Amino acid sequence: DTGVSQNPRHKITKRGQNVTFRCDPISEHNRLYWYRQTLGQGPEFLTYFQNEAQLEKSRLLSDRFSAERPKGSFSTLEIQRTEQGDSAMYLCASSNWGSGRMNYEQYFGPGTRLTVT
Amino acid sequence: GNSVTQMEGPVTLSEEAFLTINCTYTATGYPSLFWYVQYPGEGLQLLLKATKADDKGSNKGFEATYRKETTSFHLEKGSVQVSDSAVYFCALSTQGGSEKLVFGKGTKLTVNP
Repeated sequence: DTGVSQNPRHKITKRGQNVTFRCDPISEHNRLYWYRQTLGQGPEFLTYFQNEAQLEKSRLLSDRFSAERPKGSFSTLEIQRTEQGDSAMYLCASSNWGSGRMNYEQYFGPGTRLTVT
Repeated sequence: GNSVTQMEGPVTLSEEAFLTINCTYTATGYPSLFWYVQYPGEGLQLLLKATKADDKGSNKGFEATYRKETTSFHLEKGSVQVSDSAVYFCALSTQGGSEKLVFGKGTKLTVNP
């Protein structure tokens, strides 16, 4: 078990470019979450998947953002036409959710820091 | 909606001092409560949790008690160490549905030798 991994760790891009981040969850985990953390703030929920199904999206997730988890394993988060306001740390977390159990701990990856210039 | 309010930082203490970081919450239903820690250059790690009223979560000398009557989950440690320097986040999640985490803004703790 190598934990949750995210790539790249850092990304610098020019405004208007598209970027894509990848998250590899812990292998047996069926839920995968994306959060965004700006400087001096706590993480904010963006979206989550249960297996390959995207079940909830936050209002923070504008139509420039899209996330996929095609085979229920890794996930990608794409931002189109980046804006300076997209600069943030993008965090991925996974959990092993099961019906009838409680308190599914979310394990976080190290994050991808995006800087839009 | 659900929200978490935690003590503004930064907090600076000397080694072996007593630590309290206040956290209060607003939630529908009966949330689970968490403290996460983020050490410099590392990802978020779960420090402790509590799932129902009067539960006490504890780990690495840190403790927090779920107080439903005051909607609070204050983090305490009797004697901090330099290695405890980090950012601490209080969070909640509600059972059922996404179980997404709702975080406070974080409190940066610096412990000086």
